[in-house]
Amino acid sequence: QSVLTQPPSVSAAPGEKVSISCSGSPSNVGNNFVSWYQQLPGTAPKLLIFDNGKRPSGISDRFSGSKSGTSATLAITGLQTGDEADYYCAAWDSSLSVGVFGGGTKLTVL
Amino acid sequence: EVQLVQSGPEVKKPGESLKISCKASGYKFTTYWIGWVRQMPGKGLEWMGIIYASDSDTKYSPSFKGQVTISVDKSINTAYLQWSSLQTSDTATYFCARHAGSYYRMPDFWGQGTLVSISS
Repeated sequence: QSVLTQPPSVSAAPGEKVSISCSGSPSNVGNNFVSWYQQLPGTAPKLLIFDNGKRPSGISDRFSGSKSGTSATLAITGLQTGDEADYYCAAWDSSLSVGVFGGGTKLTVL
Repeated sequence: EVQLVQSGPEVKKPGESLKISCKASGYKFTTYWIGWVRQMPGKGLEWMGIIYASDSDTKYSPSFKGQVTISVDKSINTAYLQWSSLQTSDTATYFCARHAGSYYRMPDFWGQGTLVSISS
């Protein structure tokens, strides 16, 4: 059971938009920065979003992040088949003094 | 360019010891926290712990404290993850990852992963 809760899977058609939610608590999402990662099969995770909604250099603006209270959301617009991957949210938990990840969401582009 | 290059795959037997490595380059090693993340086969990411390269201050997840040891050798910009007695349940891919500026910011750069297989 992960500290951060994500839907196990989402799906959408090419060109559409999808949103992935990440639910936590005041000790993690509510009062710390949220990051989002993309993990393609057989590869290391890649940072997509940091500090709730900032994109690292080189990350497409099709990816965006937001946070409200104890929930965060990753949105992906203009879906491409190459976006098929597992997506993870993560945050520091101030009560536990550990980093925590969501359980991951598998994105299928139909 | 920030790079984290991990040591190669390992095949071990239960009860054996193991130390895997992560060599950092492209940034000032001693000003960042660096840590380890486990991914068991077909499963999600689990945060194990981090170490501040300058003074070796460490923070462990309760799930891993006492089971593994995280260390650094700042003379060669390398972080380590070690086990004294492996179990079959340690079979997983282990990623090293640099925390982004402070310990409470989650990783920004990742190593390529080290597959550890434990079998009798």
